[in-house]
Amino acid sequence: AQSVTQLDSHVSVSEGTPVLLRCNYSSSYSPSLFWYVQHPNKGLQLLLKYTSAATLVKGINGFEAEFKKSETSFHLTKPSAHMSDAAEYFCVVNGGGADGLTFGKGTHLIIQP
Amino acid sequence: DTAVSQTPKYLVTQMGNDKSIKCEQNLGHDTMYWYKQDSKKFLKIMFSYNNKELIINETVPNRFSPKSPDKAHLNLHINSLELGDSAVYFCASSSRGANEQYFGPGTRLTVT
Repeated sequence: AQSVTQLDSHVSVSEGTPVLLRCNYSSSYSPSLFWYVQHPNKGLQLLLKYTSAATLVKGINGFEAEFKKSETSFHLTKPSAHMSDAAEYFCVVNGGGADGLTFGKGTHLIIQP
Repeated sequence: DTAVSQTPKYLVTQMGNDKSIKCEQNLGHDTMYWYKQDSKKFLKIMFSYNNKELIINETVPNRFSPKSPDKAHLNLHINSLELGDSAVYFCASSSRGANEQYFGPGTRLTVT
């Protein structure tokens, strides 16, 4: 069984300040972890993925995430928020097998001017 | 050169009708999926198809049936539509051995 908990349903930051979106996971296997972004009325775009290589993963648009097995966390960060980052962000786990992806409930990121 | 495409983008229909949503991927992937996103943005997998075999079927009503004419297509048929079927439906695909999935733009279904 696998699950994902996104700890904040909404995060609001000012433009130019750091972004932190928190995610904890559980999985019976060594998981693969992902962050997807969904802009309003758009599909889901893969931001970055962790697949048991380097624990610090760099993605598109300046985002990165760090896999911490001891904390079962995979938090998403960005040093400086941009207005175009306003979107819904999903933390996703793939525990392997035929279960497919399990999505967190999403974090709505709001960027204040 | 869209990777995963869905048609239609919007679908408005009445209760009791039967409708289909089409999905095509040009990535050469061998597994395709359907997800449902509810009004609270929660995404849940409905089906996955690998080499024309259904390998996941979550607790989805049998009014929903995926049909895959070939490896590049996975269509979703819905019979006797209900109000609760209103949602955004996403198609996705992945390659064997890869973990990440690539999503289509979604189809917003509204049942009135």
